[in-house]
Amino acid sequence: GQNIDQPTEMTATEGAIVQINCTYQTSGFNGLFWYQQHAGEAPTFLSYNVLDGLEEKGRFSSFLSRSKGYSYLLLKELQMKDSASYLCAVLNNAGNMLTFGGGTRLMVKP
Amino acid sequence: NAGVTQTPKFQVLKTGQSMTLQCAQDMNHEYMSWYRQDPGMGLRLIHYSVGAGITDQGEVPNGYNVSRSTTEDFPLRLLSAAPSQTSVYFCASKRGFGQGDEQYFGPGTRLTVT
Repeated sequence: GQNIDQPTEMTATEGAIVQINCTYQTSGFNGLFWYQQHAGEAPTFLSYNVLDGLEEKGRFSSFLSRSKGYSYLLLKELQMKDSASYLCAVLNNAGNMLTFGGGTRLMVKP
Repeated sequence: NAGVTQTPKFQVLKTGQSMTLQCAQDMNHEYMSWYRQDPGMGLRLIHYSVGAGITDQGEVPNGYNVSRSTTEDFPLRLLSAAPSQTSVYFCASKRGFGQGDEQYFGPGTRLTVT
């Protein structure tokens, strides 16, 4: 089975740094994805981690620890447009099923 | 490229009616999938296809049928709509099964069953 947990909501201030955590317990693992979803829109790809460590992409970074079943998404220099839901998802061994967590709704305030 | 397209954008059905949600992609992707998204529950996989003529069940397949006669199209059929199927439906595609192959999502279909 698959179990993926994320906080439901977070609030942060414009210009600050925020870390969104994701823990998972899955029967197989072939990588972890982070997607961003603005209200009323489709999810869009942010990052992918399959090996332990930090992947940096501009203002966004994603970290993975496979032994701990843990990942986080780090957003720096927050902007108002970063207000969105952030979805953590785990890919199974066969690469044919992606299981999503419930998503974290981030509100960025001035 | 248009990417992944879905029609209709909005639909209201009465209980017991049937309908087909259309999905097409122009990226020559092997893999296509359907998800539903309900508040607080994230995206849940309904059905997926690894190529033309091949489909398989996801996490929540009951009440839905799919077929994949071409690489481009992957329609989702609701056989007899129920209020529990009120949701936002997303179609997605990806190139294959390589590590890191991201899924591209369509704009979604918002379905209400009364």
